[in-house]
Amino acid sequence: GENVEQHPSTLSVQEGDSAVIKCTYSDSASNYFPWYKQELGKGPQLIIDIRSNVGEKKDQRIAVTLNKTAKHFSLHITETQPEDSAVYFCAASIFLWDSGGGADGLTFGKGTHLIIQP
Amino acid sequence: KAGVTQTPRYLIKTRGQQVTLSCSPISGHRSVSWYQQTPGQGLQFLFEYFSETQRNKGNFPGRFSGRQFSNSRSEMNVSTLELGDSALYLCASSFGTGPYEQYFGPGTRLTVT
Repeated sequence: GENVEQHPSTLSVQEGDSAVIKCTYSDSASNYFPWYKQELGKGPQLIIDIRSNVGEKKDQRIAVTLNKTAKHFSLHITETQPEDSAVYFCAASIFLWDSGGGADGLTFGKGTHLIIQP
Repeated sequence: KAGVTQTPRYLIKTRGQQVTLSCSPISGHRSVSWYQQTPGQGLQFLFEYFSETQRNKGNFPGRFSGRQFSNSRSEMNVSTLELGDSALYLCASSFGTGPYEQYFGPGTRLTVT
């Protein structure tokens, strides 16, 4: 089955600086890669996702890049703010874009605790 | 639009008992997936229901089961509880079947004593 490795486990950055979280996956058939943000006492919140036919996707201060050859993808947060402090999870899965559905649910990385220092 | 709701939010059970958790998806969403979150194992996929049918299942024992109703609401049942079943159980809904654009609820914190 799929295995997702996520690094680092903890990341501390100064407010206003950029943060980068990296993930690698094992199954070359995986083609859908979402990122989730989880705040204390809440469920994971979908913040951005990318499909395997795209190399990069941006949404305001957040961007995700995908390297299919190396089987790794990264989350980039620019101009970090205190409200960005949370645990971030990457995930990988196989989604059948033509017919819908997938072989399995999401396989998650272990998470990165992002701390924004004021 | 209201988000995914889960009830109850907290639950304490004794080893050997059984428990039922409930999930109401976002209006219009027909797929409900369940995940278990623990400090040691992280987030793990339990199963997915779409149109009242189980579509996918993760690597969990048969003590974990679920069902989905015609209004897309879902329940998850765990029988013969073990201490290791203590976890945050998360429900996620999506419009279509599969893992695409899943939105999570706040979870049910289950403690087994």
